[in-house]
Amino acid sequence: SQQGEEDPQALSIQEGENATMNCSYKTSINNLQWYRQNSGRGLVHLILIRSNEREKHSGRLRVTLDTSKKSSSLLITASRAADTASYFCATPPPGSNYQLIWGAGTKLIIKP
Amino acid sequence: DVKVTQSSRYLVKRTGEKVFLECVQDMDHENMFWYRQDPGLGLRLIYFSYDVKMKEKGDIPEGYSVSREKKERFSLILESASTNQTSMYLCASSTNRDRDYGYTFGSGTRLTVV
Repeated sequence: SQQGEEDPQALSIQEGENATMNCSYKTSINNLQWYRQNSGRGLVHLILIRSNEREKHSGRLRVTLDTSKKSSSLLITASRAADTASYFCATPPPGSNYQLIWGAGTKLIIKP
Repeated sequence: DVKVTQSSRYLVKRTGEKVFLECVQDMDHENMFWYRQDPGLGLRLIYFSYDVKMKEKGDIPEGYSVSREKKERFSLILESASTNQTSMYLCASSTNRDRDYGYTFGSGTRLTVV
């Protein structure tokens, strides 16, 4: 089935450093969303960036979108131990109002 | 606090049993989804529903069925559980009234079939 690509697959950084993860698709990107999943739990919606936006901020999160490259990045600044989680991007497939195509996820570990 | 509630966090069932996974949302959302999540395979859509009594197959519907008799409740049914259905099952809901809201997920049910 369709899936977005995320890189890196895993990222381990020191607390206080910035974390960047990237997401790309083969299909066109409409509104792109980022989610966080703590170990063994459900996903939590973090932020949505519309296809006519290039950058969006929410607290320590910064998301960019490049529709021509069909890619997005999520930057978490001044990371904290509580940011340890997996992060997923998602975008609706062309022509769908309901479904999402999910990225494979980036596992982020923040070392104290 | 709005939420999606899945009836069980952990479930152990025997091969061949009929298994019901229940999901309830209190946000009056139109759309509800069932995913399974397996290491290395990501999130895979099993079924979704965009209205009461409506259902659509996702990517991997085989071996599963669903029921949506009321707007707030979406049930996933494993007709005859098999060991390859051991997985984390995630329920989610969304609304067409505010696409910026994204999906709201339940906490997940980790199902083990022995």
